[in-house]
Amino acid sequence: QSALTQPPSASGSPGQSVTISCIGTSSDIGYYNYVSWYQQHPGKAPKLIISHVTNRPSGVPDRFSGSKSGNTASLTVSGLQAEDEADYYCASYAGSVTWVFGGGTKLTVL
Amino acid sequence: QVQLVESGGGVVQPGGSLRLSCAASGFTFNNFGMHWVRQAPGKGPEWVAFIRSDGRNKYYEDSVKGRFALSRDNSKNTLDLQMNSLRAEDTAIYYCAKAPDIAAAGFDHWGQGTLVTVSS
Repeated sequence: QSALTQPPSASGSPGQSVTISCIGTSSDIGYYNYVSWYQQHPGKAPKLIISHVTNRPSGVPDRFSGSKSGNTASLTVSGLQAEDEADYYCASYAGSVTWVFGGGTKLTVL
Repeated sequence: QVQLVESGGGVVQPGGSLRLSCAASGFTFNNFGMHWVRQAPGKGPEWVAFIRSDGRNKYYEDSVKGRFALSRDNSKNTLDLQMNSLRAEDTAIYYCAKAPDIAAAGFDHWGQGTLVTVSS
């Protein structure tokens, strides 16, 4: 299975909103509602911030939201804060008990 | 709280073997599937393998099929990954990750990772 496609970088000023896209295919994102998003700070493990396309786990700020349209999923970070600067990865179930990740987007808070 | 602690990483020559372990705590281990996910330097994560809660069914990414073997011991709350015939492209941080109630939904908790370097 091929990796999901994410823009390599995104940026915004504190307080602004930023949206990161994740493009898949009709075999993964387009077929299953099992898109998840992960935040990774340098030297740390990824942390789940969105599951099931739109669900935020307990403890994740409501500034983070997810959506999906067709083969494309999106993560929106509203009210950007300095601590949101990190790498963000999307993932999707791809059928036949396999999963696929995106290449990652480096979010910079200006 | 969920805690996953990996061990066993190191430097190994191409063609060599390594066994990774993951010690789990803070949840009912035998109720959940478990994954190994790897991340090469500067790259995105890559799913490697998944084992169901009872250990009977195991699934692997194509590039590791026949070389890697996943196992779990539900009496000890441990997950192992036996890696054989290692290649340079297997160099990565290997993370143990817990599956949620619906396993297809992804990876809800991750360990801190263990570094595997395949080099002569």
